[in-house]
Amino acid sequence: SQQGEEDPQALSIQEGENATMNCSYKTSINNLQWYRQNSGRGLVHLILIRSNEREKHSGRLRVTLDTSKKSSSLLITASRAADTASYFCATDTSGTYKYIFGTGTRLKVLA
Amino acid sequence: DAGVIQSPRHEVTEMGQEVTLRCKPISGHNSLFWYRQTMMRGLELLIYFNNNVPIDDSGMPEDRFSAKMPNASFSTLKIQPSEPRDSAVYFCASSLVPGGSNYGYTFGSGTRLTVV
Repeated sequence: SQQGEEDPQALSIQEGENATMNCSYKTSINNLQWYRQNSGRGLVHLILIRSNEREKHSGRLRVTLDTSKKSSSLLITASRAADTASYFCATDTSGTYKYIFGTGTRLKVLA
Repeated sequence: DAGVIQSPRHEVTEMGQEVTLRCKPISGHNSLFWYRQTMMRGLELLIYFNNNVPIDDSGMPEDRFSAKMPNASFSTLKIQPSEPRDSAVYFCASSLVPGGSNYGYTFGSGTRLTVV
């Protein structure tokens, strides 16, 4: 069963705009990660945020984590056509060593 | 480093046949994971190994599925006999620490399995 649910399922924006994707999960976590998957490819790790962190940045990416709401968001600023991909959150439930992936958000950036 | 290497990239087989998928993790990584991806069920964790030992195989769907990791540089996922509902993309991923708690996973390019 899925631990994480991404919202929205699909998002279409114009190049240069910001894209925000949300992830909600069900049980307490140690860490949360975000991954990108281009069509027909494997997943690429973007960023990891620990349960004691609230915000993290990496280039044009900004991730927030609200453990009280069991949710995280991924913001991509100044989006580019190359950002077109599916984005997944993945969580490791406290006490385990495995990551369960969410359902993903399909992002399309129009040039 | 060449990354996580999976073979074959594509596999088409007839129902009832044995299928073996292969994975070479990144050198130095001590955890390996097999995932299956379908449109209906998304990404499912099938099994993971730590230091070549299977830690959790609760995601393996049936006895028809088996996985081995005979050494730190090689793992196989076998389906015998295969069924059409096994059609999916199978990903292998490796990580430096158990469960990737400090680092992310590195995924292979996947094996697209079609069972007809």
